[in-house]
Amino acid sequence: DAGVIQSPRHEVTEMGQEVTLRCKPISGHNSLFWYRQTMMRGLELLIYFNNNVPIDDSGMPEDRFSAKMPNASFSTLKIQPSEPRDSAVYFCASRWTGFTEAFFGQGTRLTVV
Amino acid sequence: TQLLEQSPQFLSIQEGENLTVYCNSSSVFSSLQWYRQEPGEGPVLLVTVVTGGEVKKLKRLTFQFGDARKDSSLHITAAQPGDTGLYLCAGAVNTDKLIFGTGTRLQVFP
Repeated sequence: DAGVIQSPRHEVTEMGQEVTLRCKPISGHNSLFWYRQTMMRGLELLIYFNNNVPIDDSGMPEDRFSAKMPNASFSTLKIQPSEPRDSAVYFCASRWTGFTEAFFGQGTRLTVV
Repeated sequence: TQLLEQSPQFLSIQEGENLTVYCNSSSVFSSLQWYRQEPGEGPVLLVTVVTGGEVKKLKRLTFQFGDARKDSSLHITAAQPGDTGLYLCAGAVNTDKLIFGTGTRLQVFP
């Protein structure tokens, strides 16, 4: 398996633009997580899905953020409109439900100018 | 809100020294994991501990889960430059939700 695949790896956008981050989890995994990592706040959980259903989105910073998982092999995280404070590395991770390893993608480095 | 506080935040040591990293919370976790992250990459799992008081060893790394399942420690014996990285503990809430600690950035100098 190729592992968790995220795209794009890098994104530079202007304030106010819409940004869409994409994630393909490992085939067969039924839990998917979106995290945001910054030096100041560390690795924050934004939202997670079980069997394609959003279970906990309490970490989503505000209504500008939304996430979807239309099927077991694809998820998106959208920011509209984007702001400079959204600049961070966004990670997607997947795993089997339970005490199993979470596999991470290589992340998307987002810069909003 | 579940919080996992790690200490120290930064650690800079010489090759051959021993070190301990702590992960503390006021919440009880069903399991706790330790990950290591290198620049430009996502975190990679080192170990999972499930039972209170459990101790696991991975070569020079020793992991312990607190008896009350609220805290954990990572001890590295005779650190090497290859141990350099960001160490993250992660707690599982209700089995599914996985939250990460604040991180410990380790630098080991030759």
